[in-house]
Amino acid sequence: DTAVSQTPKYLVTQMGNDKSIKCEQNLGHDTMYWYKQDSKKFLKIMFSYNNKELIINETVPNRFSPKSPDKAHLNLHINSLELGDSAVYFCASSHPSGKQFFGPGTRLTVL
Amino acid sequence: GENVEQHPSTLSVQEGDSAVIKCTYSDSASNYFPWYKQELGKRPQLIIDIRSNVGEKKDQRIAVTLNKTAKHFSLHITETQPEDSAVYFCAASKDQGAQKLVFGQGTRLTINP
Repeated sequence: DTAVSQTPKYLVTQMGNDKSIKCEQNLGHDTMYWYKQDSKKFLKIMFSYNNKELIINETVPNRFSPKSPDKAHLNLHINSLELGDSAVYFCASSHPSGKQFFGPGTRLTVL
Repeated sequence: GENVEQHPSTLSVQEGDSAVIKCTYSDSASNYFPWYKQELGKRPQLIIDIRSNVGEKKDQRIAVTLNKTAKHFSLHITETQPEDSAVYFCAASKDQGAQKLVFGQGTRLTINP
């Protein structure tokens, strides 16, 4: 009965590789998000989709590309990974009231 | 854009005492202010939120106060317990279809038994 789930939980990869993180929510929410939490724990929004449409696109390198096949799924693809991409990536979805619920996170380590 | 400042960055209190964490925001159009608790290695969890049409909200041992004029809001935890130890984040956003939450830098709260 997990509300917001992400896979994988851990991702270790070499510089220059391409990787994807998947997110799914079973809450029936229309809006989903990707956040990045850096080593200092700072949480910053990257993208938001509403009913499969991109509505928030922060200043993120274009190596990061989100994709929403349907309103319950939001994936994040990262090309040409760099050391600075190492972080925890959280997916979230929001209720119409504005309350946001986070997934368990994906810890990405780029070597 | 919105900027949220959070203080203190670390806070240590004795079990049973109260803890207060403060945040200021810059965009007067912001109208939604949630607080999240993040335990080590876990996801941020929403613990309480407040909208700009309300000055105070309480849920058992936690309360949030909002001063729109001064653009600051605070989290109050009373009768602290060891399980309250975590990193707490404040955030601010304005209703624009999607809630673009801008987070504060976080406060590491330690409850000493």
